[in-house]
Amino acid sequence: DTAVSQTPKYLVTQMGNDKSIKCEQNLGHDTMYWYKQDSKKFLKIMFSYNNKELIINETVPNRFSPKSPDKAHLNLHINSLELGDSAVYFCASRSGATDTQYFGPGTRLTVL
Amino acid sequence: AQSVSQHNHHVILSEAASLELGCNYSYGGTVNLFWYVQYPGQHLQLLLKYFSGDPLVKGIKGFEAEFIKSKFSFNLRKPSVQWSDTAEYFCAVNARSSASKIIFGSGTRLSIRP
Repeated sequence: DTAVSQTPKYLVTQMGNDKSIKCEQNLGHDTMYWYKQDSKKFLKIMFSYNNKELIINETVPNRFSPKSPDKAHLNLHINSLELGDSAVYFCASRSGATDTQYFGPGTRLTVL
Repeated sequence: AQSVSQHNHHVILSEAASLELGCNYSYGGTVNLFWYVQYPGQHLQLLLKYFSGDPLVKGIKGFEAEFIKSKFSFNLRKPSVQWSDTAEYFCAVNARSSASKIIFGSGTRLSIRP
């Protein structure tokens, strides 16, 4: 009964490759997010979707493309991976009733 | 633009010591305030939040935080820490006018010596 799930948990790949990370929430929330946490633990918002529509795009390189097929899913596709993309990526969803965000377990991406 | 500052990057305490982690935010309007905790290797979990009302809010695991509007602060406290409190703590804020976007502080790493 995981609330926010992400796959894969670990992703190791070569520079220049294209990869995707998937996120699903079963909480019935309308709003979902992608965050990037760097090696110093700094957590930065990347994107937010509300009911499948993009509402926040924090000047992320256009190599990153989020896709929301329905309000329970928010996937992140990354083209032409670079060394600096290595980080932990967290998905989250937000309850409109309590304004609280619930985070997934994270995906540790390592670009070699 | 909103911002959040956490002054302590790494705090080391012995068990049973009292804890206070600082958090200041910068925003002129009305805000919601949060503290999240990230245990080693795990995802972020909500510790407590302030939206309105009593400025002293109590959260899980004996944590509390006090909102002082005049100081733009929302410091986290615990009277007696345990080894299991070792984690990264994040303060966060969102403007009521932009409820979707939460800004996180840079985090404070708390290490508890047994």
